[in-house]
Amino acid sequence: GAVVSQHPSWVICKSGTSVKIECRSLDFQATTMFWYRQFPKQSLMLMATSNEGSKATYEQGVEKDKFLINHASLTLSTLTVTSAHPEDSSFYICSARDWGLPSYEQYFGPGTRLTVT
Amino acid sequence: TQLLEQSPQFLSIQEGENLTVYCNSSSVFSSLQWYRQEPGEGPVLLVTVVTGGEVKKLKRLTFQFGDARKDSSLHITAAQPGDTGLYLCAGVSFGQGGKLIFGQGTELSVKP
Repeated sequence: GAVVSQHPSWVICKSGTSVKIECRSLDFQATTMFWYRQFPKQSLMLMATSNEGSKATYEQGVEKDKFLINHASLTLSTLTVTSAHPEDSSFYICSARDWGLPSYEQYFGPGTRLTVT
Repeated sequence: TQLLEQSPQFLSIQEGENLTVYCNSSSVFSSLQWYRQEPGEGPVLLVTVVTGGEVKKLKRLTFQFGDARKDSSLHITAAQPGDTGLYLCAGVSFGQGGKLIFGQGTELSVKP
């Protein structure tokens, strides 16, 4: 099956700094990537949808200036958490799909644990 | 806003018992998926159901998609401790570019 990687798998940063999380599709072209946030014992919450070469579409309530998403190539999308605060600590997961495949075929990354101190 | 109501949210049972998890919505989905997630890892796809009324079996797991494509269920027979984890249903709406609507999740604990 298709593989999606995330880097780093975990990161600790100080309050006020920015951190970048990468999501890569390793063996297919990801025309669309999705970014999710998950709190402990809770479900995934969609943050934004990014299509290669265009601006990301953010879900209601998600600050686009705080969570910068770039999808500059067909295999890489990045999420940058700017001026991070402790409340941004969470598990961030990406998924990717190829436009040529059925809409339900998307593949999840292993997640990135962000801790802001 | 489309919602997918998943129940129960927590379930603690003994090994060997059966259980059913439900996902319900007032919206129609083009497909519905079930995932299992371990702590600190991404969700792993268990099954995708596409056709109304469809039933799929995966060993001791049985998945059903409602005739109207608004609801789904996951039934586990003779649960084992290895089934412990977070189970998530997620629906794909028509014309939404593959955006998944997730249920709240069911935290399953199977005790030996």
